Amino acid sequence: AQTVTQSQPEMSVQEAETVTLSCTYDTSESDYYLFWYKQPPSRQMILVIRQEAYKQQNATENRFSVNFQKAAKSFSLKISDSQLGDAAMYFCASSPGTYKYIFGTGTRLKVLA
Amino acid sequence: EAQVTQNPRYLITVTGKKLTVTCSQNMNHEYMSWYRQDPGLGLRQIYYSMNVEVTDKGDVPEGYKVSRKEKRNFPLILESPSPNQTSLYFCASSPGWQGFYNEQFFGPGTRLTVL
Repeated sequence: AQTVTQSQPEMSVQEAETVTLSCTYDTSESDYYLFWYKQPPSRQMILVIRQEAYKQQNATENRFSVNFQKAAKSFSLKISDSQLGDAAMYFCASSPGTYKYIFGTGTRLKVLA
Repeated sequence: EAQVTQNPRYLITVTGKKLTVTCSQNMNHEYMSWYRQDPGLGLRQIYYSMNVEVTDKGDVPEGYKVSRKEKRNFPLILESPSPNQTSLYFCASSPGWQGFYNEQFFGPGTRLTVL
């Protein structure tokens, strides 16, 4: 079965510091996409960053970047210069090319002033 | 404004009373999907639709029905709701399901409580 695992239920980071959220996945597909979504207290799901499995270069979006290790099936999210507005639940997800989307259980990020 | 809308946003109902949660998108997206979010379980896919009249089960379809008669609408039907269906529900859509086009756009969520 396809799975996505987020082993850190909660993390904290000091404002302006860097934090890394972990995600591992399991799929038998050769072509797939990986995503990080942010869910602030408003509950709205917001796409943070997306990685195509066939691209070796790690995706970046401003302060957000990923460390994609295909052989290890690891897809971590790094947030640099953390801001108070980054406080949210973060979900890792995969789209293994079978019309389905699989989400992890989430990591709650707290940003300390 | 491009968006996915859901109605109602909040609903409290009783066991066994049929209900429908509507979902509509104005982006001409082919793919639509329903999820439920529960604490400690993340989002789990209930049903998805690749196009009009084409639907399939996700990971947790029991107790739910869907239909896709129009491209823009994808209602979620609970024929006989039970307390274990108390959850936060999200509808999402994407231009397609492969390649660059599988970024999903989410609705605002529907908080359902079944007593």
